[in-house]
Amino acid sequence: DGGITQSPKYLFRKEGQNVTLSCEQNLNHDAMYWYRQDPGQGLRLIYYSQIVNDFQKGDIAEGYSVSREKKESFPLTVTSAQKNPTAFYLCATTTGANYGYTFGSGTRLTVV
Amino acid sequence: GESVGLHLPTLSVQEGDNSIINCAYSNSASDYFIWYKQESGKGPQFIIDIRSNMDKRQGQRVTVLLNKTVKHLSLQIAATQPGDSAVYFCAENRPDTGRRALTFGSGTRLQVQP
Repeated sequence: DGGITQSPKYLFRKEGQNVTLSCEQNLNHDAMYWYRQDPGQGLRLIYYSQIVNDFQKGDIAEGYSVSREKKESFPLTVTSAQKNPTAFYLCATTTGANYGYTFGSGTRLTVV
Repeated sequence: GESVGLHLPTLSVQEGDNSIINCAYSNSASDYFIWYKQESGKGPQFIIDIRSNMDKRQGQRVTVLLNKTVKHLSLQIAATQPGDSAVYFCAENRPDTGRRALTFGSGTRLQVQP
């Protein structure tokens, strides 16, 4: 949505597997974010990156990892250490000047 | 715990009526607030924002009111339409955290009855 592409839309993970969620943007935004959303709950911050090759942990970073090798891309890996990964994952971007995020359409991850 | 919360988890209104969605925040250092709309299975969409040096801001059919005295934020939707049915989130920027990221509330579901 709006220049942010999240893929896949649906993802199924077996116990003990690592999976990577893709987030690509062509908005030329500096900052990128990963949020997790559980049913009936708000968004919780996993990781964020203000600039290439730099990122910071959010409130629930345990069991997740990220990289920011390119401005356009901010992939999220859900590792086997994340004990309850079933959730809706949202990627967002913004310019450095304000906090009005643009969100992607999300990836729904389910553990099978 | 989260500093942004909502009074009502579900709000049901008749089509054509005005809707008011409320949000309480607990941190007086918060300097910027945003309302988002999220339809089922989609990412949130920006509705309107307001800075802490303002009390009111209007958009198309929407108005955001900020009462810093009681740390309260509201979103008013005029002439509510079926397409307004969604979950609405308020979010705040908290400069005291040193983190350039928004903190979100748990959301209010708006149901518009025809």
